Amino acid sequence: EVQLLESGGGLVQPGGSLRLSCAASGFTFSSYAMSWVRQAPGKGLEWVSALSGSGGSTDYADSVKGRFSISRDNSKNTLYLQMNSLRAEDTAVYYCAKDQEVAAAGQFDYWGQGTLVTVSS
Amino acid sequence: QSALTQPASVSGSPGQSITISCTGTSSDVVGYNYVSWYQQHPGKAPKLMIYDVSNRPSGVSNRFSGSKSGNTASLTISGLQAEDEADYYCSSYTSSSTLVVFGGGTKLTVL
Repeated sequence: EVQLLESGGGLVQPGGSLRLSCAASGFTFSSYAMSWVRQAPGKGLEWVSALSGSGGSTDYADSVKGRFSISRDNSKNTLYLQMNSLRAEDTAVYYCAKDQEVAAAGQFDYWGQGTLVTVSS
Repeated sequence: QSALTQPASVSGSPGQSITISCTGTSSDVVGYNYVSWYQQHPGKAPKLMIYDVSNRPSGVSNRFSGSKSGNTASLTISGLQAEDEADYYCSSYTSSSTLVVFGGGTKLTVL
């Protein structure tokens, strides 16, 4: 059974940093691209970042480019999102999502339960 | 404003069929068949319902179907059931500066 378990969310002040983790199990982690998708309270889904299965190719939404960094440790079956220079508009539930292919195509067949990030003073 | 355009809400009675549209551009829906649909119940994670425009993942009811014509993708739900009441999002791979774009979401109400 595929499982994705996010952690690391919480309350952070504007300008602060946070690192999210996503522990994966039930599939060959290195064979699939992974993404982070967020959802602000009461709003729709917004894709944030993607990373290929090998970790060699990354993509970012314009809204987070230069501030967020995605990475993975295939030996630990874990995906990360380092978030720096956080802003109030980054407040959202962050979901870890598994792509259907080794190269990111943006079609997510499994999602974690999400972790809430709140940016506020 | 979302890159893909969906109606804010649709409704239907049990047993009826409804269709949700998702309008994009040549950079996304028109140019690629990586169009997906997700169902999201309140407080829950999204669930993949359709991928590659019209394919259903294993375990998804055949009451759900997808299609695409020109710049518009569509999700049709036949034989509406109370459990279908949820938010639905379309998404597409895109050649723009962002890899994936979502629609703004459509709230389905089963009357």
